[in-house]
Amino acid sequence: GAVVSQHPSWVICKSGTSVKIECRSLDFQATTMFWYRQFPKQSLMLMATSNEGSKATYEQGVEKDKFLINHASLTLSTLTVTSAHPEDSSFYICSAREPLSGSTDTQYFGPGTRLTVL
Amino acid sequence: AQSVTQLDSHVSVSEGTPVLLRCNYSSSYSPSLFWYVQHPNKGLQLLLKYTSAATLVKGINGFEAEFKKSETSFHLTKPSAHMSDAAEYFCVVSDKAAGNKLTFGGGTRVLVKP
Repeated sequence: GAVVSQHPSWVICKSGTSVKIECRSLDFQATTMFWYRQFPKQSLMLMATSNEGSKATYEQGVEKDKFLINHASLTLSTLTVTSAHPEDSSFYICSAREPLSGSTDTQYFGPGTRLTVL
Repeated sequence: AQSVTQLDSHVSVSEGTPVLLRCNYSSSYSPSLFWYVQHPNKGLQLLLKYTSAATLVKGINGFEAEFKKSETSFHLTKPSAHMSDAAEYFCVVSDKAAGNKLTFGGGTRVLVKP
């Protein structure tokens, strides 16, 4: 199946700093990528849809100025958590939609990034 | 609006016995349905998907699921559990009316006893 990577796999930062997380599709081009957030022992919540070459679409309640998304190429989307605070600590997972015929709605997930804000 | 309900938050089975994870969905259109597995501190791995072809879908690692439109269900089964099946399982629905966004169930944690 298609492979999606994330970097870093974990990060610890001080409150008030910004953190950038990268999501890459390794063996296919993804015009659409997605960013999810997962709290401990909970399900995934969609934060935003990242479209190559255009602005991201944010879900209701997600602060676009706090969670900056850039999808600069067909294989890379980045999520920057700006001025991070302890409540932003979470597991962030990206996914990419593989644009093959008959599989337009199959998403492949990255391994996740554990963010801890001190 | 689409939604997914996983009926069991935890399932405990003995190694070598069958596993059943229950999922009911609500969708306004012909949905696509997925089961994903997540091992601790890992991303999600696709087990199988239903996209309006055969209603009995076979996936990886011996898992299969049956789409029953009349019951709006998509239960996941495996005939014989293995220790490595201990993980969190998510039932997921996607439909065109929702822009193919994925909606996740709450998850079912599977414990496999030796």
